[in-house]
Amino acid sequence: EAGVVQSPRYKIIEKKQPVAFWCNPISGHNTLYWYLQNLGQGPELLIRYENEEAVDDSQLPKDRFSAERLKGVDSTLKIQPAELGDSAVYLCASSATGSTNIQYFGAGTRLSVL
Amino acid sequence: DAKTTQPTSMDCAEGRAANLPCNHSTISGNEYVYWYRQIHSQGPQYIIHGLKNNETNEMASLIITEDRKSSTLILPHATLRDTAVYYCIVRDANQGGKLIFGQGTELSVKP
Repeated sequence: EAGVVQSPRYKIIEKKQPVAFWCNPISGHNTLYWYLQNLGQGPELLIRYENEEAVDDSQLPKDRFSAERLKGVDSTLKIQPAELGDSAVYLCASSATGSTNIQYFGAGTRLSVL
Repeated sequence: DAKTTQPTSMDCAEGRAANLPCNHSTISGNEYVYWYRQIHSQGPQYIIHGLKNNETNEMASLIITEDRKSSTLILPHATLRDTAVYYCIVRDANQGGKLIFGQGTELSVKP
């Protein structure tokens, strides 16, 4: 069974440019998460989807970040415009409906903003 | 803020058991203890979780104290590939699925 797939694995852009990250969750997983991980820190939640609905986006900087999960499967996270401080690893995770809700993570996209 | 306290780093000899402690003194009755690890340049990997009873799977064992205020993750025969940051997380399984990661323990397995 394929795990959570993210692309690209690495992205280098100049500041003020737009960037997008893509995530394909594990088949059948209704819940999808985007986390941000700064160097030397643990991941922090940006947004959580239940099917197509964003149910927790309280930590998403909405002035420049946006996300979508149009058909309740794949998701895209976008930054426009990127700032130097956005350099980090962006992780996607998914989980199935259930009380223990184990989250499975992709390998992440490492973003470098120059 | 994370609800757990872990040592910043630990060393373990290859082939020996690695015992990683975690304090969670404010854990509530419906919160589970989860362990994840993150190998360099990879995403976090689920290891094991438990509520009250000790748990064992193919990767590790989880020992939870009777008062549930602390737990220990045991890797019975550590290998070099177990070198990673290990995160202990407490979470209400009935709440929305956010995992709150702390700093974790950086485990170095040495030959």
